[in-house]
Amino acid sequence: SSELTQDPVVSVTLGQTVRITCQGDSLRSNYASWYQQKPGQAPVLVVYGKNNRPSGVPDRFSGSTSGNTASLTITGAQAEDEADYYCNSRDSSGNHVVFGGGTKLTVL
Amino acid sequence: VQLVQSGAEVKKPGSSVKVSCKASGGTFSSFGIIWVRQAPGQGLEWMGGIIPFYDTTYYAQKFEGRVTISADKSTTTAYMDMSSLGSEDTAVYYCARELLDPRDVFDIWGHGTMVTVSS
Repeated sequence: SSELTQDPVVSVTLGQTVRITCQGDSLRSNYASWYQQKPGQAPVLVVYGKNNRPSGVPDRFSGSTSGNTASLTITGAQAEDEADYYCNSRDSSGNHVVFGGGTKLTVL
Repeated sequence: VQLVQSGAEVKKPGSSVKVSCKASGGTFSSFGIIWVRQAPGQGLEWMGGIIPFYDTTYYAQKFEGRVTISADKSTTTAYMDMSSLGSEDTAVYYCARELLDPRDVFDIWGHGTMVTVSS
């Protein structure tokens, strides 16, 4: 089991705001990064650090952290945002990288 | 920079596989390369990585001793070598570029290499 816990399935109505969370003790001292993966494709980095987006990622994607929970927020979800989302950070020892189990986002 | 991986492999149980990842359009001087695998229908699993400039490698405990990650700076190619393959190793194997500051951020990914282990 992963040391970063994500809800397996989340849904959002087109145009609404959705928050995808990632919980783990290591997040109290390490930022999470977030990746979007569509079927048959490699993951794509969407948010990292305090709240940074790589070039080309729409500004409707944002990140935040509170306590042991990191969040990826999509403000005004679009149909093309339907995908699996993974967080990553350090494990509880701080020695290794770990991914969350992933969240499947459905846009209704 | 693009990461171009080697092609799909079919291996017998107990054998080894070596997957390559070439960084085209850049050098190894300022980033690391990590390896992540994804079994069919499953999530992402971090395996380990290398910082070629320093020849430093690091592995997930699960893969220590069975996986060797290396890099050839002259050809900007990284490798992941896994031995004693079992059916549970059937997965897509991805390489990705790791930024060194901040760490643990993987901003460019290869297209993935499917490794199938079957008798």
